[in-house]
Amino acid sequence: EAGVTQFPSHSVIEKGQTVTLRCDPISGHDNLYWYRRVMGKEIKFLLHFVKESKQDESGMPNNRFLAERTGGTYSTLKVQPAELEDSGVYFCASSPRGLASSSYNEQFFGPGTRLTVL
Amino acid sequence: KQEVTQIPAALSVPEGENLVLNCSFTDSAIYNLQWFRQDPGKGLTSLLLIQSSQREQTSGRLNASLDKSSGRSTLYIAASQPGDSATYLCAVSGAGNNRKLIWGLGTSLAVNP
Repeated sequence: EAGVTQFPSHSVIEKGQTVTLRCDPISGHDNLYWYRRVMGKEIKFLLHFVKESKQDESGMPNNRFLAERTGGTYSTLKVQPAELEDSGVYFCASSPRGLASSSYNEQFFGPGTRLTVL
Repeated sequence: KQEVTQIPAALSVPEGENLVLNCSFTDSAIYNLQWFRQDPGKGLTSLLLIQSSQREQTSGRLNASLDKSSGRSTLYIAASQPGDSATYLCAVSGAGNNRKLIWGLGTSLAVNP
């Protein structure tokens, strides 16, 4: 079974440009999360999809960030226009839909996209 | 507001030592706690997940314990090896509908041959 994949692995752009990150979750996983780690800081939650719906986007830094998950499959995270402070590693994770009896809701992570804004 | 703290920030040990990494969290209303490993420039690998109703989980040379009431978890690594060198991260999941993870800064471990 394929794991969570992210594209690209690295992106270097100039301030003011637009970048789109993509995440393909594990097939069948309804939950999809985006996280970000800025150098020297802890990993922080950005947002959570359940299928194609945004469950919680309280971690999105500002309106320059736009996340979509069309059809409840892969997700994209677009940063427009990018600023220097957007540099960091963006992680995507997925987990299966929780079951009433028991679900660990273990989150499985992709390798991350390292974004550098110059 | 949930906060996660990991101690120590860095640790260097000789090969073969048993070691303990600590994680504490301020709000005991958690759903689960996960320990992850991150190698330099790599992604996050889940090591162990402990449900809030559990006390510990074991996988090979790793054992993680959870004391929810006191807001603490420990990751015990037995007979450490140079290949264990990495950053170890602790994250807790809230008890609500959103299982977003709140993270510590991690412990950077170096096991010297």
